[in-house]
Amino acid sequence: AQKVTQTQTSISVMEKTTVTMDCVYETQDSSYFLFWYKQTASGEIVFLIRQDSYKKENATVGHYSLNFQKPKSSIGLIITATQIEDSAVYFCAMRDLSSGSWQLIFGSGTQLTVMP
Amino acid sequence: GALVYQYPRRTICKSGTSMRMECQAVGFQATSVAWYRQSPQKTFELIALSTVNSAIKYEQNFTQEKFPISHPNLSFSSMTVLNAYLEDRGLYLCGARWGAHSQNTLYFGAGTRLSVL
Repeated sequence: AQKVTQTQTSISVMEKTTVTMDCVYETQDSSYFLFWYKQTASGEIVFLIRQDSYKKENATVGHYSLNFQKPKSSIGLIITATQIEDSAVYFCAMRDLSSGSWQLIFGSGTQLTVMP
Repeated sequence: GALVYQYPRRTICKSGTSMRMECQAVGFQATSVAWYRQSPQKTFELIALSTVNSAIKYEQNFTQEKFPISHPNLSFSSMTVLNAYLEDRGLYLCGARWGAHSQNTLYFGAGTRLSVL
């Protein structure tokens, strides 16, 4: 069975610093997709970045980047130059192709607070 | 960017009544729409997946009789919560995807928050 685990419940950082949020996953399949979303205070879920398992290069979008360590089944999210508005709950999610379904398996989320 | 709108943003209904929520994809053709519910504890449950030209697939613990879904075209989907009770509370999220490189990414709307009195 697929599983996504985020062990960090909450993180607080100072503005303009770099933060890393951890995520590990379990899957039987060799091909899968990994995603990070953030949920704002209003409840909106915003897609941030994605890593395809067959790609060796770490994905980067704006000030978001991923630390993909396939042998460790780990996909950490790195946010550089954090801003106050980055404060949100961050969810890691996975979809594997073997399930034949579109179900995303979500982690439990990490609350990020960026302080001035 | 991708735009998925959900309406209403918040709704309150009396126990035993029903409410309908809508999901609109703007600027793209939503080949698949997934309806999720996020509990007050923040966990996600997939309710059903609707793909164009395919039957709507409901996940375990969710039925068409309780959560009927309509997906009449590539830009619109709606779901009704029938006979809502306390356990149906939560944030109902619509996620849509389209073709090309983004086909494996679900883009979500802001959700419809359901409270049940």
